[in-house]
Order: sequence, then structure tokens, then C-alpha cells
Amino acid sequence: KAGVTQTPRYLIKTRGQQVTLSCSPISGHRSVSWYQQTPGQGLQFLFEYFSETQRNKGNFPGRFSGRQFSNSRSEMNVSTLELGDSALYLCASSFPDSNYGYTFGSGTRLTVV
Amino acid sequence: GENVEQHPSTLSVQEGDSAVIKCTYSDSASNYFPWYKQELGKGPQLIIDIRSNVGEKKDQRIAVTLNKTAKHFSLHITETQPEDSAVYFCAAIRDTGGFKTIFGAGTRLFVKA
Repeated sequence: KAGVTQTPRYLIKTRGQQVTLSCSPISGHRSVSWYQQTPGQGLQFLFEYFSETQRNKGNFPGRFSGRQFSNSRSEMNVSTLELGDSALYLCASSFPDSNYGYTFGSGTRLTVV
Repeated sequence: GENVEQHPSTLSVQEGDSAVIKCTYSDSASNYFPWYKQELGKGPQLIIDIRSNVGEKKDQRIAVTLNKTAKHFSLHITETQPEDSAVYFCAAIRDTGGFKTIFGAGTRLFVKA
């Protein structure tokens, strides 16, 4: 079956702009989590959505937001981009009602110039 | 707050040698411990996991051990091959009192041919 699909793969944006990233989970997975990965910082948890509701949230400013649709697809939005937002943004989906066994997408590499 | 410490941050071994990566977690409610392998340009992939009621699990050349008393778990790779070169992440997950996943900072493994 298809894996987790993230689009676009690469993005270049200018400071102050906003960006929307998309994630389609594995069919049947209802939990979608987002992570930011920067060199030397590992995987920083942004938020998790389950059945269209944000279930958990990491320690990121309000400029980072997300949502989940009825088909479990999720989007994350970053407004007023800063240079420090340059990172690989990873989406992971997991089996219903479980935080076990994440399947990650390949990520969206965002560069802010 | 809760955290997961992962060591070493970089590990270089000769092909055929063994590699060991260690993680220590602080949240005593964690009950699931997956390991992920991330190759260049890809998202992390689950390679092995262990639950809190098990002390050791093996899958071909990789094994994971868990010491709940010490809150310590380790990844062991035997007979390393150049294709094992990647970044490895451990994670500690709890599913009581709200799902929570915390990743280690990652270990970059180099296997020299």
C-alpha cells in the first residue's frame, strides 16, 4: 500500500511569507504527527492530529499551525517565516488510536531566504 | 520535562564489527521504545521496537535490549555493513495519561568498508 506522501518535496520562501505543507497518511491511519528536523536538533515535535482534532502540541510559537481533514489528510502552515524555520518538516502517520509504529514520509525541505 | 538522551552522537566502525547505541529516558510511564533509521534524503524508517514487558528483541542482525529499572535501552547491530550507515533515532513513547513521543537526538553511524 502507498506510504505517507508529503508535498511539496522542496520549497524556497522569503522571510515574512507564509507556507502550507501537505501530508497524506497511509490509508486507514487516522493519527498524523508533524516534526521539524534541523541539523543537530534532532526531531522536534510540532503537533499531532487525530480525527480532525489536535491531540498534542509541542513547544512551537503560534506561527505554526495545522489541521486535519475528514479523510485524515493533514496540512501545516507556517506564517511570517523566519530564517530559523529552514528545516526538514516530517509528517508521520500511525494506526488508529495508537501512537505506536510511526510511518514517516520523506519530508518537505523548506528553505527560508 | 521528560527527555531521551542518546549516545554516542557519532559512531564509526569497521565493516563486520558491532555497533551499539544507547538511550536513557526519564518518563517512567513510557512503555514502547522504537528505533528508526534515517538515510540521506529520506524520512526515518522503523527498524525494530520493544515494549515494556519484554527485555530483549532480535531481528536478524539487529537487536534491542530494555532495562526498565534503569530506564535504559540499547540498539545492537552485528556484522555491520556499509548500507547500515545512516542516522539512528531512539524514541520513548507512553500511551497512558495522553500519548507522548520523545525522540533522542540521533546517532550518525559510519560503517567503513
